[in-house]
Order: sequence, then C-alpha cells, then structure tokens
Amino acid sequence: QKEVEQDPGPLSVPEGAIVSLNCTYSNSAFQYFMWYRQYSRKGPELLMYTYSSGNKEDGRFTAQVDKSSKYISLFIRDSQPSDSATYLCAMSRPNFNKFYFGSGTKLNVKP
Amino acid sequence: NAGVTQTPKFQVLKTGQSMTLQCAQDMNHNSMYWYRQDPGMGLRLIYYSASEGTTDKGEVPNGYNVSRLNKREFSLRLESAAPSQTSVYFCASLGGESVNYGYTFGSGTRLTVV
Repeated sequence: QKEVEQDPGPLSVPEGAIVSLNCTYSNSAFQYFMWYRQYSRKGPELLMYTYSSGNKEDGRFTAQVDKSSKYISLFIRDSQPSDSATYLCAMSRPNFNKFYFGSGTKLNVKP
Repeated sequence: NAGVTQTPKFQVLKTGQSMTLQCAQDMNHNSMYWYRQDPGMGLRLIYYSASEGTTDKGEVPNGYNVSRLNKREFSLRLESAAPSQTSVYFCASLGGESVNYGYTFGSGTRLTVV
C-alpha cells in the first residue's frame, strides 16, 4: 500500500466552479501537509502548507486536514483557466528530511 | 534569480551510455533531493542528501549514484543507462523555518534512453 493515495483524474470543470482535490494517507505520524501545483513541463511549486489539523485559507484556495480520517483536501473557489495544472499533495512527519507525494490530480478548467 | 538550477534540460542517451545530471541551489539550503516523475507514478525519491557530506537512498536508487559536491551542488549519475530510466528528473532543496516550508524544485531534466 502506498503511503499517500491521490485520484489521478483528469478532472474537468467549467470556469467559476468550486474544485475539490483530495488525498488519503496511511501514516498517522504525518504532521506536515502541503499542496504543490505543477504546470505542464515545469517543476512543482508550493501552493499551500498546513501543520497538523484544521483549515488554512489563501485567497481562492483552502486547505483542510482531517487527521482522524487521514484525509486532506484542497478547495479552489471561482476556478480559472489559469488553475489548469496537476496538483500534488505531499506530507511528512516531525523531524523529517523528506516528503511523501501523491501521484497528482490533473485539473482542466474550461473557459 | 534565487532557486534550483538543473542542467541539461533535455537529453537523449543510448542504452549503456553514462551521464551526469547537475543541480545547484543558491538558497543556502542544507538538504537536497533527486526525484523522478513518471506518468501515473507521481514523484519518486531516488537519493537525497540531508546535509553536506551525507547521502542516503530513497525509494528507487538502483541504477543511480549521487555526489554532494558541496553545499550548493548535488549531482545524479547514470552509469549505464537503461530504457526504464526514461523519465523526467527533478532536483529539489529544502531549508528554512517559515510558513513557506517545503521543497523548492528545479525545472527538470527530460531524459530519454533509446
């Protein structure tokens, strides 16, 4: 079983839709949770970072962590064509020096 | 611009050839990483270096070697390339203690082994 599972999609939505992206994990020791965005033929870039449980909001993006269910989510409000990319979740445990990645969900926002 | 620089950006090798992928960061980060990315497989860790002078195997180290030349540079070597090593390779670095915690990735090297 992989440590981090992520639906690969692709996910296609109309412009303005609310998008929900999710990952599940098996290691209860994970405390650091991140979302990366990767445009085609580019390296991943850090989008959101949360520590332990709860929500974090940054503009149109909201990251949620539910440690009891070992489930994390990224919500995108008022999605834009420029949000079209692959989104990867990543997580790690305390005193870490490496992250575990999901396989990525490809999102296409249609104008 | 500050960040992680990878060279080359593209490479085609014949089976059995060797090559070295170069990575350098100018952010004074302690830790550096090599990942490969394949369709449906996500990012898989090949090797990492938690600090200058140390290297450790990741999830898929077979067929690769690394050198942490100094704090800035971390190279990945393929001694005898195989078609299974066709992939996109990303170097990343990690450092700092702020809300921007996380890897900084390079732009990748697209390697094809024929």
